[in-house]
Amino acid sequence: DAGVIQSPRHEVTEMGQEVTLRCKPISGHDYLFWYRQTMMRGLELLIYFNNNVPIDDSGMPEDRFSAKMPNASFSTLKIQPSEPRDSAVYFCASSLARGVGELFFGEGSRLTVL
Amino acid sequence: GENVEQHPSTLSVQEGDSAVIKCTYSDSASNYFPWYKQELGKGPQLIIDIRSNVGEKKDQRIAVTLNKTAKHFSLHITETQPEDSAVYFCAALYPSSGDKLTFGTGTRLAVRP
Repeated sequence: DAGVIQSPRHEVTEMGQEVTLRCKPISGHDYLFWYRQTMMRGLELLIYFNNNVPIDDSGMPEDRFSAKMPNASFSTLKIQPSEPRDSAVYFCASSLARGVGELFFGEGSRLTVL
Repeated sequence: GENVEQHPSTLSVQEGDSAVIKCTYSDSASNYFPWYKQELGKGPQLIIDIRSNVGEKKDQRIAVTLNKTAKHFSLHITETQPEDSAVYFCAALYPSSGDKLTFGTGTRLAVRP
């Protein structure tokens, strides 16, 4: 398996633009997670899905952020409108189970909002 | 609340020496403690984990110890090599928060050749 695949790897955009990050989890994994990594706050869980259903979105910073999982092999994280403070590396991860067990991370999408 | 403190934030060692990274957690009900290694430009990758029913686990040059009474756990890397240079994250599972995995803030390890 190719692992978790994220795109784009790098995104530079201007404040106010819409940003869409994409993720393909490992086939057969029932859980998908979106994390944000910054120097100040480390790795923060934004939202996670179980069998394509959003379970906990309490980590989503505000209404400008939204995430969808239309099927088992694809998820998106959208920021609209983007702001400079959204600049971070966004990771998607998938796993077989919630809690105990390995999280498989993608290589991340580095977002820079000017 | 869910909190994981990790120290030190940076660590530099000579190749061949040992490195130790320490973490503390706040909930005595926490029962799972993984360690992830993040290389430059990559996502974190699990390197070792420990459950609350054991005090120590080893895998070649890496080991993790757990002190449930004190609510802290440590990562030990022996005979360090340049390829061990990376950022290391500890994490703790919080059953009281719906099995939320909370990460520490990371330790940047540099191994000097």
